[in-house]
Amino acid sequence: NAGVTQTPKFRILKIGQSMTLQCTQDMNHNYMYWYRQDPGMGLKLIYYSVGAGITDKGEVPNGYNVSRSTTEDFPLRLELAAPSQTSVYFCASTRDRGFNQPQHFGDGTRLSIL
Amino acid sequence: DAKTTQPNSMESNEEEPVHLPCNHSTISGTDYIHWYRQLPSQGPEYVIHGLTSNVNNRMASLAIAEDRKSSTLILHRATLRDAAVYYCILRDRDDKIIFGKGTRLHILP
Repeated sequence: NAGVTQTPKFRILKIGQSMTLQCTQDMNHNYMYWYRQDPGMGLKLIYYSVGAGITDKGEVPNGYNVSRSTTEDFPLRLELAAPSQTSVYFCASTRDRGFNQPQHFGDGTRLSIL
Repeated sequence: DAKTTQPNSMESNEEEPVHLPCNHSTISGTDYIHWYRQLPSQGPEYVIHGLTSNVNNRMASLAIAEDRKSSTLILHRATLRDAAVYYCILRDRDDKIIFGKGTRLHILP
């Protein structure tokens, strides 16, 4: 199983450009999450989804948008890239709300805004 | 805000046991205690979880205090590959999963 796959692995953007970070999972998980991790810091929740067509804000949603049209895919969109969005972005999934369900993470996308 | 408190960093010698503490004094009766670790330049990976009883798996053991206000992740014989940031988080009925800053574990050869 591939698990959670994120693309691209690295990207450099100019200020004001837009891009979409892709995340797909092949485990038929209902719940998916986007986190960002700044250097030397912990993970901050950006957005999450509990199923296709349902998304909700996390701790730091400003400057980002998400959609969930299928169970497998949960893309994260940056509309107007800003230097403050330079970070490593992780996508994760879990089967359902079950409190004993572990999260599965992708390998991350390293994004630099210059 | 994260509902757990962990030391910023810890050191341990290779091949010795490591005890990583986590305080969660406001834990509710339905909160599960989960541990993840993040190796350098990788995404977090699940380590172990528990509710009330101590738990063991191939990676580690989880010791939960009787009042559940604290827990300890135990690595029985640390190797250099165990050097990572370890996160203790609580999972409850909330759909959000919030991470704290974790404990950076250094393993000395």
